[in-house]
Amino acid sequence: AQTVTQSQPEMSVQEAETVTLSCTYDTSESDYYLFWYKQPPSRQMILVIRQEAYKQQNATENRFSVNFQKAAKSFSLKISDSQLGDAAMYFCAYRMDTGRRALTFGSGTRLQVQP
Amino acid sequence: DTGVSQNPRHKITKRGQNVTFRCDPISEHNRLYWYRQTLGQGPEFLTYFQNEAQLEKSRLLSDRFSAERPKGSFSTLEIQRTEQGDSAMYLCASSPSTSGGFYNEQFFGPGTRLTVL
Repeated sequence: AQTVTQSQPEMSVQEAETVTLSCTYDTSESDYYLFWYKQPPSRQMILVIRQEAYKQQNATENRFSVNFQKAAKSFSLKISDSQLGDAAMYFCAYRMDTGRRALTFGSGTRLQVQP
Repeated sequence: DTGVSQNPRHKITKRGQNVTFRCDPISEHNRLYWYRQTLGQGPEFLTYFQNEAQLEKSRLLSDRFSAERPKGSFSTLEIQRTEQGDSAMYLCASSPSTSGGFYNEQFFGPGTRLTVL
């Protein structure tokens, strides 16, 4: 079974600074996708960034980028130029490309942004 | 609003009562997923539908839980004889295709928060 581990329950960053959230996962599959979701206090889950396992190039979306290390099964999220609106729970998630394709989530990291 | 909607947003019930939640996916999305999220945890998969067919149920979904998606449109999740352990946020998500693919993203609704007293 696939598992996703986020070892940082809480992180704090100063506004305009950079923060990295960690995620590791375990799978025996070779084709899969990885995601970072943001869940603000209103609790609606929003997709931040996604990565295909077969792509070596790390995904980037504006201020958000990932460091994907397939051999190490590591998928960290870097947020640059942090903004107050970035404060939220961040969940790392895994999805296979076959079968039910349900997401397997980590336990989340609460990010606080200090003004 | 063309996003995923869920009703009610909040539900408080007494132990032993039955409750039903509704999810309206994005129009023409073939797949619909139910997840449960307890406080401080990530969502956990409960069940999913491809059109009107319920294809898999998680072991988390006890016999007291039942889900339907008549005509492949909206879905309902019913919990019978609720227990305090059922208190959680119930999230619904839909995705546009039955195939895989990088852009086959799941779009989440705002969730229904259930409190069982």
